[in-house]
Amino acid sequence: DAKTTQPNSMESNEEEPVHLPCNHSTISGTDYIHWYRQLPSQGPEYVIHGLTSNVNNRMASLAIAEDRKSSTLILHRATLRDAAVYYCILRDVRLEGAQKLVFGQGTRLTINP
Amino acid sequence: NAGVTQTPKFQVLKTGQSMTLQCAQDMNHNSMYWYRQDPGMGLRLIYYSASEGTTDKGEVPNGYNVSRLNKREFSLRLESAAPSQTSVYFCASRGARGVPNEKLFFGSGTQLSVL
Repeated sequence: DAKTTQPNSMESNEEEPVHLPCNHSTISGTDYIHWYRQLPSQGPEYVIHGLTSNVNNRMASLAIAEDRKSSTLILHRATLRDAAVYYCILRDVRLEGAQKLVFGQGTRLTINP
Repeated sequence: NAGVTQTPKFQVLKTGQSMTLQCAQDMNHNSMYWYRQDPGMGLRLIYYSASEGTTDKGEVPNGYNVSRLNKREFSLRLESAAPSQTSVYFCASRGARGVPNEKLFFGSGTQLSVL
């Protein structure tokens, strides 16, 4: 199973951009990169996903390296509500059924007022 | 839509007791998952299921059994609870390939303490 590695924690200030890195050096050509976040005392929620091109949605942007061995989740203007644990996972698009979706430790993001 | 519903929300067991954690989804999803999260740690996959009647082991299956009797429900059973199983348990479901996003939807969790 392709794995991801993320820093354990990061800190930023309110209203500043935040760049959360994820390394996935063993990624295969059919792996999608998914990001989830977990707010305190809640289950994780989907943030964004991509395959090769950079992606934007209302929550965040995803920048994918040209060799796909790393990616960065970008929060353009962090708010206190963005304080959470962020997980980067890989999902093989070839597989129809369920597959091992391994979350790892994630990055705990602290936002300072 | 209720999404993914887990019951109970809280449970305290004594060592050796058994119990079943229930999970149901109303999104007609094929795949369902059980994760555990120890305090201050990330999620670890216990079991997952591609469809009714099929289940597969995840990263930490020892001490657990699962049952996928129908498309909606995926239960997790602790036959003889141990203090090491004190954790928050999350159930999740995912749609079929081709559905936009294919994202996981999580329940709100069951907080289990084994004394």
